[in-house]
Amino acid sequence: DAKTTQPPSMDCAEGRAANLPCNHSTISGNEYVYWYRQIHSQGPQYIIHGLKNNETNEMASLIITEDRKSSTLILPHATLRDTAVYYCIVRVASGGSQGNLIFGKGTKLSVKP
Amino acid sequence: GAVVSQHPSWVICKSGTSVKIECRSLDFQATTMFWYRQFPKQSLMLMATSNEGSKATYEQGVEKDKFLINHASLTLSTLTVTSAHPEDSSFYICSARVPGGGQPQHFGDGTRLSIL
Repeated sequence: DAKTTQPPSMDCAEGRAANLPCNHSTISGNEYVYWYRQIHSQGPQYIIHGLKNNETNEMASLIITEDRKSSTLILPHATLRDTAVYYCIVRVASGGSQGNLIFGKGTKLSVKP
Repeated sequence: GAVVSQHPSWVICKSGTSVKIECRSLDFQATTMFWYRQFPKQSLMLMATSNEGSKATYEQGVEKDKFLINHASLTLSTLTVTSAHPEDSSFYICSARVPGGGQPQHFGDGTRLSIL
């Protein structure tokens, strides 16, 4: 599996956009980029995923570079409830045991008033 | 959206007892579910992959006789921690993958297990 690199921590002011970067320079052509977040003492929450194109949903936007070697998760208007550890994971879109996710250390996002 | 329910959310029990944790996919069928463990201030570590109708696949270093996994239906997987000891105290989390190419996994809220 491709390894990802994320900054260990980031701060963001409440109401501003939070831009979380992720490097995945060894990503393969059939690997998707998934983003999850984990709020303390809860299970990870799925945010968004993509293959090549930029994606947007009600939670966030995902910008993937043309060479697919990096991506950015954008929370357009961060709130205090967005404080969490954010994980960027790349994984093949296959079934069975090959579909498991490997979690790194993620980015601890702190949204401040 | 896809919902995964995990029960119980918190267990405290004496050393030597066995504890069963249930993981259910509420609005989709999951042929594959995953069990993770998370120690304080660490990331999630995959323990095993649960396959409906067949034996689970365990990660290296995880004792299959201690962590029994049963995936009897397309919506239910169970993890039983047998003869639990204090070192088994941890946060256990399950996930289920939505069928279809590229679809994400969805996670339960986790079970906090404390062995006294």
